[in-house]
Amino acid sequence: DAGVIQSPRHEVTEMGQEVTLRCKPISGHDYLFWYRQTMMRGLELLIYFNNNVPIDDSGMPEDRFSAKMPNASFSTLKIQPSEPRDSAVYFCASSPRQGGSPLHFGNGTRLTVT
Amino acid sequence: GENVEQHPSTLSVQEGDSAVIKCTYSDSASNYFPWYKQELGKRPQLIIDIRSNVGEKKDQRIAVTLNKTAKHFSLHITETQPEDSAVYFCAASQGDYKLSFGAGTTVTVRA
Repeated sequence: DAGVIQSPRHEVTEMGQEVTLRCKPISGHDYLFWYRQTMMRGLELLIYFNNNVPIDDSGMPEDRFSAKMPNASFSTLKIQPSEPRDSAVYFCASSPRQGGSPLHFGNGTRLTVT
Repeated sequence: GENVEQHPSTLSVQEGDSAVIKCTYSDSASNYFPWYKQELGKRPQLIIDIRSNVGEKKDQRIAVTLNKTAKHFSLHITETQPEDSAVYFCAASQGDYKLSFGAGTTVTVRA
C-alpha cells in the first residue's frame, strides 16, 4: 500500500497564478479530505468527499478555491487566482468508512505564493 | 460546531520522564477522539484513538484517558525518548467526518 499520494511536494508561484494540487487516495477508501495547515490557524478542514461526491465544503475559504474528485482514485484542489495568504501546507487524507475511523494523510504540498 | 482546546502548547521533558497533554471539547455528542503525531516536515500520523464507550486505552508507552462528564481527554507518554519529540494533535468528532483538531503541542525530549 503506497499510502495517500500528493503532488507536487512543493509549489512556488506568483500571486495571481493558478495552482492545482493533486491527490490519489488509498485504494478502497471512500472518503477523501483536503486540509490546510498554517502556524496561525493549525489544521483546517477545507472540504471532504464521499464516493467522489462533495459532502461538506463549508471550510473552503472563498470562491478562489475549488475541489473536484472525478473518480475514486483522483482529486484536485485548485486555487485561482492565488494570493500570498494562501501559502500553507495542504494535506490530502483518506479514510475507509464513515465516522470514527482514522485519517491517513498524504505527505502534503507546501505552497508558497510570492 | 465542535471546539477543541489543547494544553500546553509546548512541553519540554527530560528523557525518561512522562509527558501529559490535555484536551477539552465542547460538543457532548462527540464520540471519537484520535491523537496524531507530526514530526518536523512530515505528515500527521495516528498514534492512538479512543471511542466514547471506553475510558482508557493503552499501547506500549502511550495511553489515552477520556472523561465524558468533564469533556476532556488526555495523552500520556511514559519513559519518553528523543524520538518522541514532535507536535501532537488531539481531535474530536461526533461520528461524521468533521474532525476538529486542537492547536497542537510541541513536545521536546531533552537527552
